[in-house]
Amino acid sequence: DSGVTQTPKHLITATGQRVTLRCSPRSGDLSVYWYQQSLDQGLQFLIHYYNGEERAKGNILERFSAQQFPDLHSELNLSSLELGDSALYFCASTRRSGAREAFFGQGTRLTVV
Amino acid sequence: SQQGEEDPQALSIQEGENATMNCSYKTSINNLQWYRQNSGRGLVHLILIRSNEREKHSGRLRVTLDTSKKSSSLLITASRAADTASYFCATDDYGQNFVFGPGTRLSVLP
Repeated sequence: DSGVTQTPKHLITATGQRVTLRCSPRSGDLSVYWYQQSLDQGLQFLIHYYNGEERAKGNILERFSAQQFPDLHSELNLSSLELGDSALYFCASTRRSGAREAFFGQGTRLTVV
Repeated sequence: SQQGEEDPQALSIQEGENATMNCSYKTSINNLQWYRQNSGRGLVHLILIRSNEREKHSGRLRVTLDTSKKSSSLLITASRAADTASYFCATDDYGQNFVFGPGTRLSVLP
């Protein structure tokens, strides 16, 4: 158990809908990273938050947004969902920005039908 | 674009054999890490090697780093069926994010 909790584990939704994925980092970790993993794209970095502030953005679509709350949990919002958004979404946490070892949650498997 | 590129994409070996996976990257790095992912599950950190290190061991794992060639290798000795997983190298983009390669799928046959 990495100590990183992601909910829900599975999500099935229709095209055009909006969903929210939640991540609770390990106790004391200030940095949260979101990744998307699909079969043909590997692990794609989406966004990084550190202590509530956005630190880096990857290839995150405009339909996607994220935030990190004062209690350090993070949410990834995906809207106007398309079939191609079906993927595993992972969050990872580290003790601080730039810390070396990332601890990953078990992921949320999103299926858009 | 991907920073790390693993090679081979897939590897199938018998239990007890050694497995070697390679990773190449493009830019200068602080450190390079290897992660394991069991099917559909989260990634687990295996080992980190700093840019000023050439070799590191952890149990049955041995990692080498050649910064002049921008490459790293992961050796798993005396493999077991439980080692069946995908293995990813990742470079630490100076704290902004971890950049992962596409991974090597390792199958260890009993």
